[in-house]
Amino acid sequence: SAVISQKPSRDICQRGTSLTIQCQVDSQVTMMFWYRQQPGQSLTLIATANQGSEATYESGFVIDKFPISRPNLTFSTLTVSNMSPEDSSIYLCSVEILAGTNEQYFGPGTRLTVT
Amino acid sequence: AQSVTQLDSQVPVFEEAPVELRCNYSSSVSVYLFWYVQYPNQGLQLLLKYLSGSTLVKGINGFEAEFNKSQTSFHLRKPSVHISDTAEYFCAVSYVSGSARQLTFGSGTQLTVLP
Repeated sequence: SAVISQKPSRDICQRGTSLTIQCQVDSQVTMMFWYRQQPGQSLTLIATANQGSEATYESGFVIDKFPISRPNLTFSTLTVSNMSPEDSSIYLCSVEILAGTNEQYFGPGTRLTVT
Repeated sequence: AQSVTQLDSQVPVFEEAPVELRCNYSSSVSVYLFWYVQYPNQGLQLLLKYLSGSTLVKGINGFEAEFNKSQTSFHLRKPSVHISDTAEYFCAVSYVSGSARQLTFGSGTQLTVLP
């Protein structure tokens, strides 16, 4: 398993601003993922972040809106840019522990409210 | 597109009663299967997984699940639930998509254990 922390745990932001969410893992991992969980919904994958390469975005998500950094094997950031109330969600990062299986461990999430 | 179906959005059950949460998936290829639990205001915790081997897998907190390839199901069971099992449960399936594995989540089942 892995211990994953996220900062901030929650935030309330005004529309038009940006928020950067940090994800820290206690061990080196190749694959990191960012998900969005809208209120009362399941998880939707935003992008896959591999160290040393550009993030791979899922359909419906673009780099300009959700830029991602992955500077090393234990850390990643997700920025939610030019926020609107529709961006109010829980944002979760996860890591793949067993290579090739997609067995993922999740951080505690960042609860974002946009007013 | 691959899909995961959790047939029950809400399951109320009395304390110490047995429970089964249903999960079906669509796939003609090999898959890895997971159940996650999400307690209120927390991230996702891995309950159990099927990667290979025995089709009956045991997880944490007394839960178990059985992989049935012919019925493409991976139902979660517990013989006697506790109040503390009240949470949202997500079934997830890892498919091979091109050269990568994609983790797809079901819509979730809210388990409520009543005293």
